[in-house]
Amino acid sequence: DADVTQTPRNRITKTGKRIMLECSQTKGHDRMYWYRQDPGLGLRLIYYSFDVKDINKGEISDGYSVSRQAQAKFSLSLESAIPNQTALYFCATSDPRRADTQYFGPGTRLTVL
Amino acid sequence: AQSVTQLDSQVPVFEEAPVELRCNYSSSVSVYLFWYVQYPNQGLQLLLKYLSGSTLVKGINGFEAEFNKSQTSFHLRKPSVHISDTAEYFCAGMNTGFQKLVFGTGTRLLVSP
Repeated sequence: DADVTQTPRNRITKTGKRIMLECSQTKGHDRMYWYRQDPGLGLRLIYYSFDVKDINKGEISDGYSVSRQAQAKFSLSLESAIPNQTALYFCATSDPRRADTQYFGPGTRLTVL
Repeated sequence: AQSVTQLDSQVPVFEEAPVELRCNYSSSVSVYLFWYVQYPNQGLQLLLKYLSGSTLVKGINGFEAEFNKSQTSFHLRKPSVHISDTAEYFCAGMNTGFQKLVFGTGTRLLVSP
């Protein structure tokens, strides 16, 4: 079984809808991250969490919110989806004792019509 | 702020030829440097990383990279590529103070027979 899982893997939605992307990990890591990937732009950090009570904005947090329900779960929400949020979204985890290495989930492809 | 630049958006190469994918980083802070690979429809996988010590770093699948402080570069090389190396490659840097990865825009390696 994969260490970092993301659900759903693909989602098509309409402008204005609320969407939640979920991430779960079995690695026991305290640190979790959400990135979005756009062609030609690489990966950009949306939010990150260093433990359940610590949540921080990344470089592109506008239009997104997150919830760290437990050490193993980190959800990303789009309160009112817009077409330019169409992208590939990745969750990642890291161990603070080895914070140099991040482990990525398989990604969620989100399309906002 | 930490930044990472990948100058080549796409690199075509024939099978069994050598390849170099270029990466430059900003020198404003001390860094850890990474190369990740993304195969089609998959998440990111760590190829190799430089933290300290020897400037020549060997990774998985026959890849290696050389940290060059004077040129602020961390280029990725492979002496002989295979069709299966076709993927997108991301260079990333991490500021040791914040433990966040900053990604380059990616280089798509296209290996043809």
